[in-house]
Amino acid sequence: DQQVKQNSPSLSVQEGRISILNCDYTNSMFDYFLWYKKYPAEGPTFLISISSIKDKNEDGRFTVFLNKSAKHLSLHIVPSQPGDSAVYFCAAARSGYELNFGKGTSLLVTP
Amino acid sequence: DAGVIQSPRHEVTEMGQEVTLRCKPISGHDYLFWYRQTMMRGLELLIYFNNNVPIDDSGMPEDRFSAKMPNASFSTLKIQPSEPRDSAVYFCASKRDMLETQYFGPGTRLLVL
Repeated sequence: DQQVKQNSPSLSVQEGRISILNCDYTNSMFDYFLWYKKYPAEGPTFLISISSIKDKNEDGRFTVFLNKSAKHLSLHIVPSQPGDSAVYFCAAARSGYELNFGKGTSLLVTP
Repeated sequence: DAGVIQSPRHEVTEMGQEVTLRCKPISGHDYLFWYRQTMMRGLELLIYFNNNVPIDDSGMPEDRFSAKMPNASFSTLKIQPSEPRDSAVYFCASKRDMLETQYFGPGTRLLVL
């Protein structure tokens, strides 16, 4: 049973524009959320995280927003660059427990 | 640091054969995870270890799958006998403690014919 859902398998955005990747979760006990980025033939790498006590976390061009009431989080990339083209995985966990990953969203940033 | 090391990077085998995937975690990391990535199910956790002890193997699909961690620097995931539906990318990840971020290896791409 998928507790973390990324309903958009793919997204295409023009360079310089904003990319918004969405993620929904079903388990209200989750209190820690992460985004991982994956290039072809490589393992996922950690990108940004947020705990449930916050509703926003920013790191350079990347911002994660958390809406606990809607059980929804999103990753904003501004401005998008061609090097951002990758698969993005959303993950969630209850503190002290293992991560639950979504199926991923493939982002393509076109020049 | 070399990061998480996995071998082989690619494996092609025939149905019924035994497959062994290997992982060397980052030194000092107490947690080791095995994941499987498929288009249908995304990244699934198969099993994880803490201090070489299996903690949760509820994600292991069936008895054909087994995992061991004989010491802090080595783990194996074995499939015997392998089936075409086992074809996937298998990732190993490690981290220092439960609250830390996981670091993934490059994965082993398995194709069972």
